[in-house]
Amino acid sequence: DTAVSQTPKYLVTQMGNDKSIKCEQNLGHDTMYWYKQDSKKFLKIMFSYNNKELIINETVPNRFSPKSPDKAHLNLHINSLELGDSAVYFCASSPKVGSGSYEQYFGPGTRLTVT
Amino acid sequence: QKEVEQNSGPLSVPEGAIASLNCTYSDRGSQSFFWYRQYSGKSPELIMFIYSNGDKEDGRFTAQLNKASQYVSLLIRDSQPSDSATYLCAVDSNYQLIWGAGTKLIIKP
Repeated sequence: DTAVSQTPKYLVTQMGNDKSIKCEQNLGHDTMYWYKQDSKKFLKIMFSYNNKELIINETVPNRFSPKSPDKAHLNLHINSLELGDSAVYFCASSPKVGSGSYEQYFGPGTRLTVT
Repeated sequence: QKEVEQNSGPLSVPEGAIASLNCTYSDRGSQSFFWYRQYSGKSPELIMFIYSNGDKEDGRFTAQLNKASQYVSLLIRDSQPSDSATYLCAVDSNYQLIWGAGTKLIIKP
């Protein structure tokens, strides 16, 4: 199936731990994103990569580090997890930046709970 | 800071009626406008996009754009209980999408 996939779907961990979330898309898109959606449901962009190059880096604690090994993959590593990091993290992809096509397609989300 | 504004709702509409969802945006340079639907516990799903002033219809959905007023809307005809969800408006600005906070729509049988 053509899609954006994320693993894991659920992540429960303790404060202070380090965790990673992985994302893959097989839509042939050049641009990928990480979003955070908190309990108030607002989608906040965190990072964006276009063909492995970081192009958006919003005000996010430096405990969050994205990595794009190739244009089909975008991972998110989080160090020293805090209670406030609990949220749903969505990966998304879109066609090439500057192409005029900005529609984004989302993965199923990773629900992170920090205890 | 570019913004997209939506009424958070909830907007309650009887089954079979027309649901009207509205969105305003601040960036006059925006060219692409999107409506996403998000069911509880699920990811946002693209349902409509519009680039030109006027109306665009797709089945029971109609997107309306007025760039002069910086206003975009989504009409859902013959509303069904399965349309109950949060509807997110997104607008392009500086090579990314700026998102509204979403309107929660409830269709009452």
